[in-house]
Amino acid sequence: DGGITQSPKYLFRKEGQNVTLSCEQNLNHDAMYWYRQDPGQGLRLIYYSQIVNDFQKGDIAEGYSVSREKKESFPLTVTSAQKNPTAFYLCASSFGTEATNEKLFFGSGTQLSVL
Amino acid sequence: AQSVSQHNHHVILSEAASLELGCNYSYGGTVNLFWYVQYPGQHLQLLLKYFSGDPLVKGIKGFEAEFIKSKFSFNLRKPSVQWSDTAEYFCAVNARSGNTPLVFGKGTRLSVIA
Repeated sequence: DGGITQSPKYLFRKEGQNVTLSCEQNLNHDAMYWYRQDPGQGLRLIYYSQIVNDFQKGDIAEGYSVSREKKESFPLTVTSAQKNPTAFYLCASSFGTEATNEKLFFGSGTQLSVL
Repeated sequence: AQSVSQHNHHVILSEAASLELGCNYSYGGTVNLFWYVQYPGQHLQLLLKYFSGDPLVKGIKGFEAEFIKSKFSFNLRKPSVQWSDTAEYFCAVNARSGNTPLVFGKGTRLSVIA
């Protein structure tokens, strides 16, 4: 069953702590994305990667870091520098990078809350 | 850079009413346009998209959207809504040239009441 798996579903972060959100896809997609969803704010792009070992900052990259060591995996680390991390985080992927009209496939999301 | 504006934050309709959700984008070049839907407890999924050809695009579940280039608009319509259409709807855009990611609007929450 192909798709995007995000884990965990719920995550709690203490002050000053870094946490990592997992995103794995078995769709053989080249491009992967991280969005943050806040009520009334829509989806805002944090980071994206169009190929292994390469990634670009999105609109709200400050306080976050990513890696793309494998095609299937695109973990997101929320660092202690992110002062307002409570949000719903969505990972997505798309098949190609040449055709910009490719649709995104989304994971089920991770709700991050600060203790 | 592209931006997307969705006019309504929350729309409440009775079953069988007609629906139109507004979406305007800001970008001077050629764009691809999308509507995504997020049903309660489900993944975001593509409703329909436009990238070329007929500006009236038909999607799943009886939805359609019309691209009006002169108005920079891509409004979503459905002639008769059902209770199962209750969801959050997001308009999104990206530039046709260059590998630019999607920019999403803030979303419109649709509540359909019996």
